[in-house]
Amino acid sequence: DSGVTQTPKHLITATGQRVTLRCSPRSGDLSVYWYQQSLDQGLQFLIQYYNGEERAKGNILERFSAQQFPDLHSELNLSSLELGDSALYFCASSVGARLGTEAFFGQGTRLTVV
Amino acid sequence: EDQVTQSPEALRLQEGESSSLNCSYTVSGLRGLFWYRQDPGKGPEFLFTLYSAGEEKEKERLKATLTKKESFLHITAPKPEDSATYLCAVTGDSGGSNYKLTFGKGTLLTVNP
Repeated sequence: DSGVTQTPKHLITATGQRVTLRCSPRSGDLSVYWYQQSLDQGLQFLIQYYNGEERAKGNILERFSAQQFPDLHSELNLSSLELGDSALYFCASSVGARLGTEAFFGQGTRLTVV
Repeated sequence: EDQVTQSPEALRLQEGESSSLNCSYTVSGLRGLFWYRQDPGKGPEFLFTLYSAGEEKEKERLKATLTKKESFLHITAPKPEDSATYLCAVTGDSGGSNYKLTFGKGTLLTVNP
């Protein structure tokens, strides 16, 4: 158990809908990272938050947004869903704002868009 | 832009047959190289972080080494439970590089009994 909790584990929704994925980081970790993993693309960095502030953006679509709350949990919002958004979404957490030590991953949310 | 290339894409071994996985990387100022293990449908599980050329780390049957251009994950006398995808990732010193892990596509290891 990495200590990073993601909910829900599975999500099935229709095209055009909006979903929210939730992540609770390890105790003491201030950074949260979101990654998308699809079969052909591997793990792709989406966005990072540190202590409530957005710090870095990767290949995140405009239809996607995220935030980190005062209790440090984070939510990833995916809207106007398309079939191609079906993937595993992972959250990771680390202590600092910049990666220099390990980042620990949650078990992921499997999103299926039908 | 940081790049990570892992080889081979897939490796099939017999139980007890030692081998190595390769991770070649390009990064501006390596801040850390990470190895993860991922089982199907699960999140990546942290294995090692390496920081400088010449560094080595071991855990059970796994040993990770680092040079200035690549890292190797040596698997000694593997068991079927070592079957998984092994992922390599880097983070660098410059700009947006140190805010994220850049992953390779992984090596799918299968160990047959």
